Amino acid sequence: DTAVSQTPKYLVTQMGNDKSIKCEQNLGHDTMYWYKQDSKKFLKIMFSYNNKELIINETVPNRFSPKSPDKAHLNLHINSLELGDSAVYFCASSQDRAVNQPQHFGDGTRLSIL
Amino acid sequence: GDSVTQMEGPVTLSEEAFLTINCTYTATGYPSLFWYVQYPGEGLQLLLKATKADDKGSNKGFEATYRKETTSFHLEKGSVQVSDSAVYFCALSDGGNEKLTFGTGTRLTIIP
Repeated sequence: DTAVSQTPKYLVTQMGNDKSIKCEQNLGHDTMYWYKQDSKKFLKIMFSYNNKELIINETVPNRFSPKSPDKAHLNLHINSLELGDSAVYFCASSQDRAVNQPQHFGDGTRLSIL
Repeated sequence: GDSVTQMEGPVTLSEEAFLTINCTYTATGYPSLFWYVQYPGEGLQLLLKATKADDKGSNKGFEATYRKETTSFHLEKGSVQVSDSAVYFCALSDGGNEKLTFGTGTRLTIIP
């Protein structure tokens, strides 16, 4: 059973479109995250939710809107896609917000904007 | 703010060679330190962690020691294998920020 699963794995779309990426974890974790990894492999946190409550919102354009319908799911909706949004987006989860808790990552969603 | 600096890659070694990937950090509090590994086409996996000074994390033959005096967490392995080829990320988690801050990653390639 996959612990953190994201769909779709690949997403190719045109500039200006709106798209969503879904994430689910079956680990019973309280905290979930979205990261963006650019072409140079640099990873940066975008959002974090704890028990469906937003706790981290980095400097991300408001075209990006996370939604957590329950603590096992954290979806990412992106409006008006731009070329610079091309990246790999990773979902992750951790037991809770404690600093010593490792994070478990999904396999990523590769988003390509044409 | 918090930051992690790790050795620029790529690093290419022969099988059975000794590996060191340097990592130093800056943090305002007392962070936990992690090494994550990313195999091609996959997400990151926790390799090892250390939560306080002088702790040594170890897993799959890899080791790293939390050195507060030098603010370092260097990754080492005595004898690398082709299957160790991956990108390695050093990261810290600081209570004040409640998030993981990653280094830029180091691509490691092991040749037979």
